[in-house]
Amino acid sequence: QKEVEQNSGPLSVPEGAIASLNCTYSDRGSQSFFWYRQYSGKSPELIMFIYSNGDKEDGRFTAQLNKASQYVSLLIRDSQPSDSATYLCAVDPSGGANNLFFGTGTRLTVIP
Amino acid sequence: GAVVSQHPSRVICKSGTSVKIECRSLDFQATTMFWYRQFPKQSLMLMATSNEGSKATYEQGVEKDKFLINHASLTLSTLTVTSAHPEDSSFYICSATQHGGRGKETQYFGPGTRLLVL
Repeated sequence: QKEVEQNSGPLSVPEGAIASLNCTYSDRGSQSFFWYRQYSGKSPELIMFIYSNGDKEDGRFTAQLNKASQYVSLLIRDSQPSDSATYLCAVDPSGGANNLFFGTGTRLTVIP
Repeated sequence: GAVVSQHPSRVICKSGTSVKIECRSLDFQATTMFWYRQFPKQSLMLMATSNEGSKATYEQGVEKDKFLINHASLTLSTLTVTSAHPEDSSFYICSATQHGGRGKETQYFGPGTRLLVL
């Protein structure tokens, strides 16, 4: 069984701080990794995807992948109240995006 | 790019009626579309994978005769909840994959349809 695990939170950080969201996965052969943001009552919105070990930066967001340790993380710099949402980690063992396994999500609250 | 729409966004129906939800990829062709269901405070649950021109593949525990999926074109998939009951009330979300560079794909979600069965 392919598992993706996230701390459900809630994770609270003050405005301007760095929020760190973590995700571990069980299938060592997994190739594709995605972070989605879901606001309450809305559908998931893609934030970033990463395929290679290391860091990938996009604006205030940085995804970090460590395949040897089987974890992927998302850092949000200069957190804003508008970043308050549930963040879903998704993993595709096959390397595409047609077979996503989702974590249960981490709820982030950014305190003004 | 990579916009997925759903219609309707919200529907209220009486128990026993059927409800059809449309999912469209607006600016790309989607060979594969997915239907998820999400109950309050829970994560996404994949219901079925839909490939254009072929029968959908349903996840274990999802009744294919109750949740009819038609993927008639590369930009349209429909989910019909037949004889809906209150326990079918949920947030239904479709998604589609778009091919990126070097064979990579990304899955984009529609805005979701909130179904309430009275």
